Amino acid sequence: GQQVMQIPQYQHVQEGEDFTTYCNSSTTLSNIQWYKQRPGGHPVFLIQLVKSGEVKKQKRLTFQFGEAKKNSSLHITATQTTDVGTYFCAGLERDGGSQGNLIFGKGTKLSVKP
Amino acid sequence: NAGVTQTPKFRILKIGQSMTLQCTQDMNHNYMYWYRQDPGMGLKLIYYSVGAGITDKGEVPNGYNVSRSTTEDFPLRLELAAPSQTSVYFCASSYSSHRLLYFGPGTRLTVL
Repeated sequence: GQQVMQIPQYQHVQEGEDFTTYCNSSTTLSNIQWYKQRPGGHPVFLIQLVKSGEVKKQKRLTFQFGEAKKNSSLHITATQTTDVGTYFCAGLERDGGSQGNLIFGKGTKLSVKP
Repeated sequence: NAGVTQTPKFRILKIGQSMTLQCTQDMNHNYMYWYRQDPGMGLKLIYYSVGAGITDKGEVPNGYNVSRSTTEDFPLRLELAAPSQTSVYFCASSYSSHRLLYFGPGTRLTVL
């Protein structure tokens, strides 16, 4: 079945450093979504990428979708303590006439040292 | 709008007990989902529904049941609780299929 691998599992950075998490799928994706979960909280939708090679920015966050639509990345510039949390990618695979299957990666847990 | 609400927030069950996790959304979303989250394991889909009266199995449905009698409510039933069902359970809803999920605050369940 479809798998979505996410690396690294953990990342510890000094405040002000950059951070990147990578997501790789075993199959071609219809779209990829990114979610953030603060400690003790619930996942919150950040963004959806649909087109091959798509790049989207949200302030200090840059999201990319690979040309083959099998990988994605989230890059945070100059991390702040408010960026702390776990970042999940979720790949949507279309399978014929089915509703599709959204598969979550295991997440990258980001900690930021002030 | 309250969004997606879940009750209870916490629950401890004994092995073999039953319970229902409640989930309600006020966004008039047709699609609703139940996920479980185990430490370091991401989110696994238990069941989902594409509208009132329609439910389907996800990746890990064994030991659970759902119903969807209204657009707003999507309860998850555990019939015979087992320690393997210790987890955090999230309900979610969306306007379109498997896109832009709105998650509830979660229910932390411990089975002893």
